[in-house]
Amino acid sequence: RKEVEQDPGPFNVPEGATVAFNCTYSNSASQSFFWYRQDCRKEPKLLMSVYSSGNEDGRFTAQLNRASQYISLLIRDSKLSDSATYLCVVNAKTSYDKVIFGPGTSLSVIP
Amino acid sequence: EAQVTQNPRYLITVTGKKLTVTCSQNMNHEYMSWYRQDPGLGLRQIYYSMNVEVTDKGDVPEGYKVSRKEKRNFPLILESPSPNQTSLYFCASGSTGVHEQYFGPGTRLTVT
Repeated sequence: RKEVEQDPGPFNVPEGATVAFNCTYSNSASQSFFWYRQDCRKEPKLLMSVYSSGNEDGRFTAQLNRASQYISLLIRDSKLSDSATYLCVVNAKTSYDKVIFGPGTSLSVIP
Repeated sequence: EAQVTQNPRYLITVTGKKLTVTCSQNMNHEYMSWYRQDPGLGLRQIYYSMNVEVTDKGDVPEGYKVSRKEKRNFPLILESPSPNQTSLYFCASGSTGVHEQYFGPGTRLTVT
């Protein structure tokens, strides 16, 4: 089983739609969780950190379920500019130490 | 401008010819890391460094070397490149405890 798994998609959604991505991780000792965004052939960029209590940043909401070992990302009112690959990232410790990236979920927002 | 730079951006080389990909950051970050990205496999960590003179192996260190003699630089060395090292390479840096990583623009390496 891979340490971090994501549905690769692609997710093709119309503008204005709500879309959700899930990510599962296998290491129960994982302590830090993030969502990164990567545009085609570009470098990944941090979208948001994921906190135990869940957190929201504008149209984006991230949730963590430690018991089931998954994190989620919800995007509301999708924009064309949201088209990208979304990477789930898990750190095993509170410092960086071992960083595991998921394979990514591809999103295309269609006019 | 705060940034991570990598050079070269594109490189085509032949099997066995030693090469170095440079990485430099101007944000005074303690943490630096190298990743490779391959289709279907995602980003995999090669090596990372928590500070000067401190380096450690990631998930796929075989065939690579790194050094961290200065805080700002973290070169990736391929002593004897092979075709299976053809990939897109990213360098990243971050402040310890903050966890956000800033990535360089990537180096596309082809080994024939």
